[in-house]
Amino acid sequence: GAVVSQHPSRVICKSGTSVKIECRSLDFQATTMFWYRQFPKQSLMLMATSNEGSKATYEQGVEKDKFLINHASLTLSTLTVTSAHPEDSSFYICSASPTGERYGYTFGSGTRLTVV
Amino acid sequence: SQKIEQNSEALNIQEGKTATLTCNYTNYSPAYLQWYRQDPGRGPVFLLLIRENEKEKRKERLKVTFDTTLKQSLFHITASQPADSATYLCAPNTGTASKLTFGTGTRLQVTL
Repeated sequence: GAVVSQHPSRVICKSGTSVKIECRSLDFQATTMFWYRQFPKQSLMLMATSNEGSKATYEQGVEKDKFLINHASLTLSTLTVTSAHPEDSSFYICSASPTGERYGYTFGSGTRLTVV
Repeated sequence: SQKIEQNSEALNIQEGKTATLTCNYTNYSPAYLQWYRQDPGRGPVFLLLIRENEKEKRKERLKVTFDTTLKQSLFHITASQPADSATYLCAPNTGTASKLTFGTGTRLQVTL
């Protein structure tokens, strides 16, 4: 079946530094990928839609200069958390669909970011 | 504004019983609705999709209903097992945009 690989699974960084998270579709091409954030005991909140070869579309309230998204190829999207602060500590998850939204999305295993 | 509500209280049931989870939505006209399972520290896993013109969908021990008049979907797990313990998320989708928005999720705990 379709697999989305996400790395790293865990990262700890110091305040003020930047962290890059990678999301790869392993056996299918994804023109669109999605980035979510999840705080403890809360549901997934969509942050942005990553579009191959064009700018990402951000949800209301998400700072595009802080959460940089690059979708340079049909199998790779990256999310960079710039100038990270403790409040950015969260669980970040990416997803994509090999056959379109009507057939279910495949999610990465998530990245636990801790900013100290 | 669009809203997706699931019972935020955890659902505790005994092994072998049927678990029923509810998903209600407002200000939506979804063309279909998806259900996912999420284990702690993991990404969601797709379970089932039901279209607006389908009343019921089954897959092994899972059953989903979709009532567009009530704006509600029910998710049933029959003969529940401790391994079914997880958080279950619903995601109605209008089909006009590819992004997926999730409900709050219901945590299911199946005990022996």
